[in-house]
Amino acid sequence: QKEVEQNSGPLSVPEGAIASLNCTYSDRGSQSFFWYRQYSGKSPELIMSIYSNGDKEDGRFTAQLNKASQYVSLLIRDSQPSDSATYLCAVSRGVTGKLIFGQGTTLQVKP
Amino acid sequence: NAGVTQTPKFQVLKTGQSMTLQCAQDMNHNSMYWYRQDPGMGLRLIYYSASEGTTDKGEVPNGYNVSRLNKREFSLRLESAAPSQTSVYFCASSYDRASSYNSPLHFGNGTRLTVT
Repeated sequence: QKEVEQNSGPLSVPEGAIASLNCTYSDRGSQSFFWYRQYSGKSPELIMSIYSNGDKEDGRFTAQLNKASQYVSLLIRDSQPSDSATYLCAVSRGVTGKLIFGQGTTLQVKP
Repeated sequence: NAGVTQTPKFQVLKTGQSMTLQCAQDMNHNSMYWYRQDPGMGLRLIYYSASEGTTDKGEVPNGYNVSRLNKREFSLRLESAAPSQTSVYFCASSYDRASSYNSPLHFGNGTRLTVT
């Protein structure tokens, strides 16, 4: 079992719809959770971080964390073609400082 | 503001050759990381340095060595390149350990390495 698992997709949604991206992790000691966006041929950039159970909203993005279920998700409201990218879930391994990434989910937003 | 600078951007090696990938950050970050990215595999941690003077293995350290030269610089060396090391390599840095609050990674632009 991978430490951090994502569905590789592609996930295709129409413009204006809600895109839902999911991630599960295996280390119960993980404390920090991140979503990075990566456009093709570019380096990853941070879009959301979450550290406690519940929802965290930032503009059109909402991150959701459920530590009991070892599950973190990212919702993108009013999806735009410019949101088309690969979204990487990253989870800290305990307190070691290591950040482990999932394989990424490719999102396609169709006009 | 340069952020994280990686060199070179592209490199082609023959099997058995060696090379060093350079990384420098100007954000006064304590922690630095080397990742490789392969299709369908996401980013995999090769080595990281939680602070100046320390290094530790990540998920896929075999075939690589690292040096934290000072607080700014963290280099990755391939002693004897193999085709399996063909990948895109990213250096990253963060102010504190990745498990700490509000300490996101900042990535360089990547090095595309091909080993023939």
